[in-house]
Amino acid sequence: GQSLEQPSEVTAVEGAIVQINCTYQTSGFYGLSWYQQHDGGAPTFLSYNALDGLEETGRFSSFLSRSDSYGYLLLQELQMKDSASYFCAVFSGNTGKLIFGQGTTLQVKP
Amino acid sequence: EAQVTQNPRYLITVTGKKLTVTCSQNMNHEYMSWYRQDPGLGLRQIYYSMNVEVTDKGDVPEGYKVSRKEKRNFPLILESPSPNQTSLYFCASSFRRAGEKLFFGSGTQLSVL
Repeated sequence: GQSLEQPSEVTAVEGAIVQINCTYQTSGFYGLSWYQQHDGGAPTFLSYNALDGLEETGRFSSFLSRSDSYGYLLLQELQMKDSASYFCAVFSGNTGKLIFGQGTTLQVKP
Repeated sequence: EAQVTQNPRYLITVTGKKLTVTCSQNMNHEYMSWYRQDPGLGLRQIYYSMNVEVTDKGDVPEGYKVSRKEKRNFPLILESPSPNQTSLYFCASSFRRAGEKLFFGSGTQLSVL
């Protein structure tokens, strides 16, 4: 089967750096995505990794290691508005299946 | 404005009364999908469609139907809703595949009494 694991909660202070890990088990792995969701809102796309390495988009970076079935989302210079839930999701092959993790709630404190 | 439009935003119904949640996108996306979100369970895929007239089951398809007669529309149908289908539902689309950037609708909070 397919499964993803990520921490349920992370707390950090404004201005700090936080890393949210995601490990996965899946057949036919194709790529790993990250989404942000504020309370009551729709998920919004942050990043997508299909190849090993680091992808950087502003304050957010995402990393993938296919050999370790592991990825992470790195948030730098944390701001209060970054308080939200973050989901990793794996995409398998050329099917339309997308499996989400259970989400990590990030609380940013002043 | 590029968007995925879902309606209604809130819906309260009773067990067994058929309902449809509409989803429409204006970005000419080939891929569309439906998810339900329950506390502690994340987002679970119900159905997806890779293109017009092509639909397939996700992880939790029981009790749901979909259709994709036109590229822009992907309605979710509950023929006989039950209380365990009370949930927050999201429709999403992307240009070609699930792994690409998904655009989500604003969600439908469904309560089945």
